[in-house]
Amino acid sequence: GAGVSQSPRYKVAKRGQDVALRCDPISGHVSLFWYQQALGQGPEFLTYFQNEAQLDKSGLPSDRFFAERPEGSVSTLKIQRTQQEDSAVYLCASSFQGLAGGGYEQYFGPGTRLTVT
Amino acid sequence: AQTVTQSQPEMSVQEAETVTLSCTYDTSESNYYLFWYKQPPSRQMILVIRQEAYKQQNATENRFSVNFQKAAKSFSLKISDSQLGDTAMYFCAFMKQREYGNKLVFGAGTILRVKS
Repeated sequence: GAGVSQSPRYKVAKRGQDVALRCDPISGHVSLFWYQQALGQGPEFLTYFQNEAQLDKSGLPSDRFFAERPEGSVSTLKIQRTQQEDSAVYLCASSFQGLAGGGYEQYFGPGTRLTVT
Repeated sequence: AQTVTQSQPEMSVQEAETVTLSCTYDTSESNYYLFWYKQPPSRQMILVIRQEAYKQQNATENRFSVNFQKAAKSFSLKISDSQLGDTAMYFCAFMKQREYGNKLVFGAGTILRVKS
């Protein structure tokens, strides 16, 4: 694939609904990151996968947020019982691998803009 | 914890001129990486330039160059011969040097407007 893709690009949810956001990383990229970007702000880290293992979820804001990457490629970020404060752009990024082999640069997808009404 | 500060919320520059965006960071790490990312209105985050902290030589990529001052924890981006397509939000970002899980810590961003 050419780059990281995300779907949907836009999502409007009513408060209390569950949403699922999908990320397709660059083929062969081992590492996958999710970030949350509030309007006019820099992205903030949510969680990290190395292959299918979720090694860092320290940035998830609450237990309503859940992420998975069951086969080590596509990842889904799920938000349960959405709240207005969840409105943001959710960015996915992938990188080839860790530092030993280089390739630590992260390549970003276009993001999913979530609006909770 | 690492912090990244971009003190210029907005900047503007005339086409073909040079502009410098500022970034400072705070860390106790000795080995790390620094990045500048560009985010046009379409929202796709694009890597502009990167700098390894162990390298003294400043990174350059065509019209983009950095001034990396490790002791001062400063990492500014210079854009030469500015073009209309350079109009975007620019983010400075920090990454620890780790084997894996090297997440990015971003600044708040600087909006750059290039005027014709």
